[in-house]
Amino acid sequence: DGGITQSPKYLFRKEGQNVTLSCEQNLNHDAMYWYRQDPGQGLRLIYYSQIVNDFQKGDIAEGYSVSREKKESFPLTVTSAQKNPTAFYLCASSQRQGSSYEQYFGPGTRLTVT
Amino acid sequence: RKEVEQDPGPFNVPEGATVAFNCTYSNSASQSFFWYRQDCRKEPKLLMSVYSSGNEDGRFTAQLNRASQYISLLIRDSKLSDSATYLCAVTPSGGYNKLIFGAGTRLAVHP
Repeated sequence: DGGITQSPKYLFRKEGQNVTLSCEQNLNHDAMYWYRQDPGQGLRLIYYSQIVNDFQKGDIAEGYSVSREKKESFPLTVTSAQKNPTAFYLCASSQRQGSSYEQYFGPGTRLTVT
Repeated sequence: RKEVEQDPGPFNVPEGATVAFNCTYSNSASQSFFWYRQDCRKEPKLLMSVYSSGNEDGRFTAQLNRASQYISLLIRDSKLSDSATYLCAVTPSGGYNKLIFGAGTRLAVHP
């Protein structure tokens, strides 16, 4: 079955620690994305990558870092510099469909930092 | 002004009702439009893309009004299982494939 996996589902960390969230897809999609969602709010784009070894900052990249060494994988590191890291983190991937790019999401990781 | 705006609701409707949501976008050059459904504490799931000519999938109909810069989602014969938050998403101009999401409209269908 093709899809996007994110692990872990829940993650708890102490303030000051870096943490890496995993995202893997076997849909053979070129593009991958990271979003965060806070309660009652829409999704905000953190980083995106259109091709291996290339990625761009989204709207709220400060305090985050990514890598894209393989087409299937796009891990996100939440660094200690991120001021409000507690959130629901969603990974997505997409491939061009006609003139648009439909994005499909993984199940998400809920990060709690105390 | 937010780039993509939605009425947060909640819309409380009885089973069998018809309900419609709108989503306005500020960038007139926006290229692609989508509706997603998100259940509580789950990931968004693509419900449908919105085409210029409008499109229908069973009980769901999506429309695009470029002149007034909004998209709409109509749900006919509402089911209890339709209860969820509906997010609209818009691709900005420039040929990029990133999406800008609205904050969502909550729908609660009751017996």
